[in-house]
Amino acid sequence: EPEVTQTPSHQVTQMGQEVILRCVPISNHLYFYWYRQILGQKVEFLVSFYNNEISEKSEIFDDQFSVERPDGSNFTLKIRSTKLEDSAMYFCASSVRRSGGGTSTDTQYFGPGTRLTVL
Amino acid sequence: KQEVTQIPAALSVPEGENLVLNCSFTDSAIYNLQWFRQDPGKGLTSLLLIQSSQREQTSGRLNASLDKSSGRSTLYIAASQPGDSATYLCAVMKAEKLVFGKGTKLTVNP
Repeated sequence: EPEVTQTPSHQVTQMGQEVILRCVPISNHLYFYWYRQILGQKVEFLVSFYNNEISEKSEIFDDQFSVERPDGSNFTLKIRSTKLEDSAMYFCASSVRRSGGGTSTDTQYFGPGTRLTVL
Repeated sequence: KQEVTQIPAALSVPEGENLVLNCSFTDSAIYNLQWFRQDPGKGLTSLLLIQSSQREQTSGRLNASLDKSSGRSTLYIAASQPGDSATYLCAVMKAEKLVFGKGTKLTVNP
């Protein structure tokens, strides 16, 4: 069964350093998402991406964050200058179609996550 | 702003028991509702998706219901097994994003 994959599984970095988290969505999916979960807290939406551009972002997703689909398979999340409070589990998700708009809806499939630890 | 609440926060039951997990949301204008399972340190596994026009969905021993007007959903697990032990998350979809509850941590004791 196709699945979303993420690398690395665990990333440790120093405060102020740049990190890139990588995801390979399911191959026929067109919509891509990043979420994060700080330890003990809810899963929070960061950004959605379609047709090579951001379609929605949360207030968490500030100028320190960026996303990119550098080729036909990878989807990346970059944090330019990490802060202690960026420590969290970051989940990538993908779906075939966009949910909402009064039309079709679809399941978002999540990857196993990357645990980011900022020291 | 959409808020999702799950009750109880934790639940411990003996194997074989039927159980119900509850989810409530404040804004009824949702597109769908998903139930996920999360094992410790792992990703999210989608269990069931109920579209806004539907009242329930079933998959094996799982049955999820949706009452959009009252802002409630329930996940019913029949004949629970130790392998069902995990955190169960409810999430509602509006526009591009899922808004999650904090989850119910379920422990099924052999």
